[in-house]
Amino acid sequence: EPEVTQTPSHQVTQMGQEVILRCVPISNHLYFYWYRQILGQKVEFLVSFYNNEISEKSEIFDDQFSVERPDGSNFTLKIRSTKLEDSAMYFCASSTGPHYGYTFGSGTRLTVV
Amino acid sequence: DAKTTQPNSMESNEEEPVHLPCNHSTISGTDYIHWYRQLPSQGPEYVIHGLTSNVNNRMASLAIAEDRKSSTLILHRATLRDAAVYYCILRDGRVGADGLTFGKGTHLIIQP
Repeated sequence: EPEVTQTPSHQVTQMGQEVILRCVPISNHLYFYWYRQILGQKVEFLVSFYNNEISEKSEIFDDQFSVERPDGSNFTLKIRSTKLEDSAMYFCASSTGPHYGYTFGSGTRLTVV
Repeated sequence: DAKTTQPNSMESNEEEPVHLPCNHSTISGTDYIHWYRQLPSQGPEYVIHGLTSNVNNRMASLAIAEDRKSSTLILHRATLRDAAVYYCILRDGRVGADGLTFGKGTHLIIQP
């Protein structure tokens, strides 16, 4: 069964450093998403991406965050200057369209120290 | 997204059917009912979704009330692997790329 692949599985970074989280969505999917889940809390929507542009973003997705689909297969989330409160699991997801379910990756655990 | 209400937790025995309820009294005509689950230390996993008619797939069945104000996810024969948090989410079918709004879900405990 096709999978959404995320790398790395765990990343530790110093506060103030830039991090890039990588995702390879399912190849025939058109809609791409990033979510995060702080330990013990709900899964939160960050951003959706379609047709090479951001479609929707939440209040969490401020100027410190950016997304990119650089080469037609990868989908990345960049955090420019990490804060302690950015520590969370980050999940990438993709779907074929509004009438279909999302496939989520297994996540990247980001730890900011 | 319209709001859904689910019990905080439910318990069932292995190899028995499980019925997970969800209330969504403010659902609109274009909202699809989606169910996801999250196993411990994993990402959310799509289970099933529907609009008006009951739906079946290899994982579960979705029973939707005639007025669409409630739905029930049915696991026909629970296994220990089904222990997870189950989320009932409404998603507007008119919008292509909107995000899902996860609530706290129902924590399903399966007893051997």
